Amino acid sequence: GDSVTQMEGPVTLSEEAFLTINCTYTATGYPSLFWYVQYPGEGLQLLLKATKADDKGSNKGFEATYRKETTSFHLEKGSVQVSDSAVYFCALSSLWGGGNKLTFGTGTQLKVEL
Amino acid sequence: DAGITQSPRHKVTETGTPVTLRCHQTENHRYMYWYRQDPGHGLRLIHYSYGVKDTDKGEVSDGYSVSRSKTEDFLLTLESATSSQTSVYFCAISWDSNTEAFFGQGTRLTVV
Repeated sequence: GDSVTQMEGPVTLSEEAFLTINCTYTATGYPSLFWYVQYPGEGLQLLLKATKADDKGSNKGFEATYRKETTSFHLEKGSVQVSDSAVYFCALSSLWGGGNKLTFGTGTQLKVEL
Repeated sequence: DAGITQSPRHKVTETGTPVTLRCHQTENHRYMYWYRQDPGHGLRLIHYSYGVKDTDKGEVSDGYSVSRSKTEDFLLTLESATSSQTSVYFCAISWDSNTEAFFGQGTRLTVV
């Protein structure tokens, strides 16, 4: 079945460092890909998405490119801030029954220190 | 923010008791979902609904039932709670099946 694999955490960075969180997927067809972020005690919020190959999603300085040839959707940010500390989930939208469902990776915790 | 309210936000219950969690939306979205979040598993789909009285099972549906009698409300019931159902439960909504989902704040359920 469809699956998402993302790098283990926690990832600890200093403020202004470069961030990469790796995400690879297995899916039939051409799923849409998403990055969600979860701040402590809150639900998940959509960070960015890409719906077809070579699309780049971007938001709040974060970027991810849909790479069909490597089945990847790595999250990057050039300069992280303490406020970026959160758990990041990679997800894909796949067919399930009468509609679609989101299949999530296990999440990567990011800690940014001064 | 999407108008999604989950209740209760926290609950402790005893093994074998029935529990109902409620998800209420004010966005008139067609699709509603229940997920559970557990360490090492990410989020997993329990049940979803694609319209009033139209529901279907997700990947971890055993021990759970759902009902949707109105567009705005989606109820998740644990008929007889077990310790393995201790988790954080998230409701989500989406306009259609292929667009991004918006999530509620979550319900932390502890079964003792």
